[in-house]
Amino acid sequence: RKEVEQDPGPFNVPEGATVAFNCTYSNSASQSFFWYRQDCRKEPKLLMSVYSSGNEDGRFTAQLNRASQYISLLIRDSKLSDSATYLCVVFGGSYNTDKLIFGTGTRLQVFP
Amino acid sequence: GAGVSQSPRYKVAKRGQDVALRCDPISGHVSLFWYQQALGQGPEFLTYFQNEAQLDKSGLPSDRFFAERPEGSVSTLKIQRTQQEDSAVYLCASSYPGAAPSYEQYFGPGTRLTVT
Repeated sequence: RKEVEQDPGPFNVPEGATVAFNCTYSNSASQSFFWYRQDCRKEPKLLMSVYSSGNEDGRFTAQLNRASQYISLLIRDSKLSDSATYLCVVFGGSYNTDKLIFGTGTRLQVFP
Repeated sequence: GAGVSQSPRYKVAKRGQDVALRCDPISGHVSLFWYQQALGQGPEFLTYFQNEAQLDKSGLPSDRFFAERPEGSVSTLKIQRTQQEDSAVYLCASSYPGAAPSYEQYFGPGTRLTVT
């Protein structure tokens, strides 16, 4: 079983739609969580961190459920420019490493 | 300012050849990471440096993979006797511990390696 699991999609949604992505992680000791965005043939870039209380950045809302080891990303009022792969990421750090553990990614395609 | 740069951007190697991939992190970034991204997958951790010290190499898939960062800045990932399964994008990332947001890693554009 992979440490971070996501539905690979693709999710095909019209402009203006609301779409939600989910992710589960296996290590209950994990402390920090992120969503990264990766455009086609580009490098991943941090979209937002995920906090226990939930956090919002414009049209994007991230939620964390520690009891269920579940992370979500909600995108409201989808734009064509939101088309990308969204990577669920868990900080796998310990005393000797700061590595990130990535899910497979969920591909989003927003159409006109 | 300048981001993470990697070279070459594309590399085609015949099976059995050795390759060397270079990463220039953001100036002043202490931490440097190498990841491997196969087609349709998320990046997979390979190795981590803090300054010149290689603190974690648990992700290196075999002893054909070797990484170094001798002066704590530029890093090289070397793959000996390349195999077809080594075909992937190799991503380098750097970060400054303690910077906000916590643990953000800045990625370079990657080197796309194709082994024929």
